[in-house]
Amino acid sequence: GAGVSQSPSNKVTEKGKDVELRCDPISGHTALYWYRQSLGQGLEFLIYFQGNSAPDKSGLPSDRFSAERTGGSVSTLTIQRTQQEDSAVYLCASSQRGGTNEKLFFGSGTQLSVL
Amino acid sequence: AQTVTQSQPEMSVQEAETVTLSCTYDTSESDYYLFWYKQPPSRQMILVIRQEAYKQQNATENRFSVNFQKAAKSFSLKISDSQLGDAAMYFCAYRSAPYNFNKFYFGSGTKLNVKP
Repeated sequence: GAGVSQSPSNKVTEKGKDVELRCDPISGHTALYWYRQSLGQGLEFLIYFQGNSAPDKSGLPSDRFSAERTGGSVSTLTIQRTQQEDSAVYLCASSQRGGTNEKLFFGSGTQLSVL
Repeated sequence: AQTVTQSQPEMSVQEAETVTLSCTYDTSESDYYLFWYKQPPSRQMILVIRQEAYKQQNATENRFSVNFQKAAKSFSLKISDSQLGDAAMYFCAYRSAPYNFNKFYFGSGTKLNVKP
C-alpha cells in the first residue's frame, strides 16, 4: 500500500475484554515495529519483527500482550484481559529492511480506550 | 538504558518567528543517532531531521536545524520562519547505531503552538 495502515482507528473496550489491533505495513517492507504512546508520554517500544520472526520483544509490558506477523506482511497486536492502564495510542511503523540508515514510516495509530 | 528528556511540555511562537525546542539525553554509547519527529493531530509521526553522533556538523533541513552538543548531550531543534502548519507535538528520539533495527527511545514531547 501507499502507507502504513492501522485498524481500527479508535477502539473502546471494557476492562477484561481482549482486543486485536492490526497493522498493514508498506508493501515490501520486511521490518515492522509496534510502539505505545501513553497520554503525556513519548513512544515506548513494544516489539520488532523482521519478516515473520520477532528478534526483540523486550518491550511487551506483560504476558497479556502478544503479537504476530504472518506472510511477512500484516501484523496483529493482541491484548488479553485489558486493563485501564492499557489505554494509549498504539503506533505501528515499518521500514524496508530494518537497517540503521533507513527511514521509518509510521501509521496513524489505534487509540485504545479501556473503560 | 538510554533516556531522553524534553523539559518543555508546551511552547508558543508567533508566525514567522523562530523557536527552539530543547532535548537532552543520557547514554554511555559513543555512536548513535538523534532525531526530531513531528506528530500532527493525525497522529502520524513524521521525520523532521536526523543527526549522526559522529558528525560534528549540525544537520539542517530547510527551516529546521539542530544544535548538537555531544559533550553536553544536548540536541535542540530550531524552527525558523514558523508557519501555522508547524503546530504539532515534537518528539526527540535516540537510537543506538550498532544495532540493526530501529529501536528508538523517545522523549515525552513538546507541544508547539503557532500564533497567527
